[in-house]
Amino acid sequence: DAGVIQSPRHEVTEMGQEVTLRCKPISGHDYLFWYRQTMMRGLELLIYFNNNVPIDDSGMPEDRFSAKMPNASFSTLKIQPSEPRDSAVYFCASSRDRGHEQFFGPGTRLTVL
Amino acid sequence: KQEVTQIPAALSVPEGENLVLNCSFTDSAIYNLQWFRQDPGKGLTSLLLIQSSQREQTSGRLNASLDKSSGRSTLYIAASQPGDSATYLCAAGSRTYKYIFGTGTRLKVLA
Repeated sequence: DAGVIQSPRHEVTEMGQEVTLRCKPISGHDYLFWYRQTMMRGLELLIYFNNNVPIDDSGMPEDRFSAKMPNASFSTLKIQPSEPRDSAVYFCASSRDRGHEQFFGPGTRLTVL
Repeated sequence: KQEVTQIPAALSVPEGENLVLNCSFTDSAIYNLQWFRQDPGKGLTSLLLIQSSQREQTSGRLNASLDKSSGRSTLYIAASQPGDSATYLCAAGSRTYKYIFGTGTRLKVLA
């Protein structure tokens, strides 16, 4: 398996623009997680899905952030409008089942100017 | 609210040393605990996962232990190598399957 795939790997945009991050989980994994990593706050869980259904989005910082999982092989994290404080590395991870280990993608480094 | 602390924040050791990384958590009602490694500019690589009913897990030169009552987990690395240099993160998983990460220990193994 190719592992968790994320795109783009790097994104530079200007404040106010819409940003869409994409993730393809490992085939057969029922759980998908979106994390954000910054120097100040470390690694934070934003939202996670089980069988394509959002279970907990309490980590989503503001209404500017939204996530979808239209099918078992694809998820998006959208920021609209983006702000400089959204600059971070965004990771997607997947897990086969509850209690199983999580596998992380390579991350998307987002810079908002 | 679960808080996870890792001490030390950074560690530098000569090659061949055995070392211990510490992870403390405030809420002992965890579902599991996972150790990861992160190389600079890369994603996280899973090392070991310990379920709440387990005391330890081993993989090669790595051994992770879990003591829920004291809110501690340790990662033991035997015979360290320069290739072990990375940041090591622990994550406490709750029963609602939310993972809280520590801030990590940056390890440097000197050749």
